[in-house]
Amino acid sequence: AQSVTQPDIHITVSEGASLELRCNYSYGATPYLFWYVQSPGQGLQLLLKYFSGDTLVQGIKGFEAEFKRSQSSFNLRKPSVHWSDAAEYFCAVGLGGSQGNLIFGKGTKLSVKP
Amino acid sequence: EPEVTQTPSHQVTQMGQEVILRCVPISNHLYFYWYRQILGQKVEFLVSFYNNEISEKSEIFDDQFSVERPDGSNFTLKIRSTKLEDSAMYFCASSETSGNTYTGELFFGEGSRLTVL
Repeated sequence: AQSVTQPDIHITVSEGASLELRCNYSYGATPYLFWYVQSPGQGLQLLLKYFSGDTLVQGIKGFEAEFKRSQSSFNLRKPSVHWSDAAEYFCAVGLGGSQGNLIFGKGTKLSVKP
Repeated sequence: EPEVTQTPSHQVTQMGQEVILRCVPISNHLYFYWYRQILGQKVEFLVSFYNNEISEKSEIFDDQFSVERPDGSNFTLKIRSTKLEDSAMYFCASSETSGNTYTGELFFGEGSRLTVL
């Protein structure tokens, strides 16, 4: 069965430091991959997505992610974290076709120290 | 910027009562979804809806749940007889298509928090 694993429940980084949030997936074919961010009291906002092609994808707010097929990973990175990046981050796998059913990981909560 | 709107933002209900959660998807979108997030747990897919019918549903979406697009703009989720375990944040989402191509981006609303007592 398809699954998404985010091994880090909570990460704290200092403002200005780099960030990497891990995501591993289990899926038979090349999946559609997404990162969403949820700020407190807000809905889920798409940061970036990977469908095919270049394995390094750029997203909004200075985020990027790299698809590594050999590791079944799609880690999210940012070179310099801002206090406003404090939120919960969800990795998701899309099963494609016309259904739009996404399977989400449990999320990683990011705290930013001044 | 177009957005998905949901009402109410928070609803408290007694166990056994019926609840209707409402959503207004982005106007040119054709696919609609409900997801839920129980506190501290994953966001889970409930149901997708296209062309006035359910296109896919999860095992969570049992006979207690139903969806409807009553008037061409609203998309509702009804829980017929709520249970304690239905307490969760319910997210509506919509997506557009270009011909038969799924663009893969779901636009989510801010959620409706349901508390069942």
